[in-house]
Amino acid sequence: DSGVTQTPKHLITATGQRVTLRCSPRSGDLSVYWYQQSLDQGLQFLIQYYNGEERAKGNILERFSAQQFPDLHSELNLSSLELGDSALYFCASSVGMEGEKLFFGSGTQLSVL
Amino acid sequence: GESVGLHLPTLSVQEGDNSIINCAYSNSASDYFIWYKQESGKGPQFIIDIRSNMDKRQGQRVTVLLNKTVKHLSLQIAATQPGDSAVYFCAENSPNQAGTALIFGKGTTLSVSS
Repeated sequence: DSGVTQTPKHLITATGQRVTLRCSPRSGDLSVYWYQQSLDQGLQFLIQYYNGEERAKGNILERFSAQQFPDLHSELNLSSLELGDSALYFCASSVGMEGEKLFFGSGTQLSVL
Repeated sequence: GESVGLHLPTLSVQEGDNSIINCAYSNSASDYFIWYKQESGKGPQFIIDIRSNMDKRQGQRVTVLLNKTVKHLSLQIAATQPGDSAVYFCAENSPNQAGTALIFGKGTTLSVSS
């Protein structure tokens, strides 16, 4: 158990809908990262927050947004969902800003039908 | 032991063999590198890491080698066991204009037969 908690584990929704994925980092970790994993693209970095502020941005679509709250948990919002958004979404956390190992949650499997 | 060329997606070995998984990284400014293991249905798990001021680091049954000249990283697993079967990812701490992030490679699936 990495100490990173993601909910829900599975999510099934329809095209055009909006969903929210939730992540609680390990106790004491200030950074939260979101990654998308699909079969053909591997692990794609989406976005990082450090202590409530956006720290780094990857290939995150404009339809996606995230935030980190004062209690350090984070939410990833996915809107106007398309079939191609079906993937495994991972949250990870670390103590500092960069250059250290990340601890991953067990992921949320999103299926868009 | 057997090794896999860069970007090859699969490696099959016999139990007890040594395995070598290779990885090319893209950013010469990357200063930290890490290997993860991902088992089916689980999130990636940390194996070993190395900073750019080193060229070799050893853990329990694993060794990471870093060649900055050719931007190459490898993971060596000694006496491979069936429990080592998983997908292995290398990642680099890569700075760019949008910030610094841990960027993952495509992954190599290691299959260990007994």
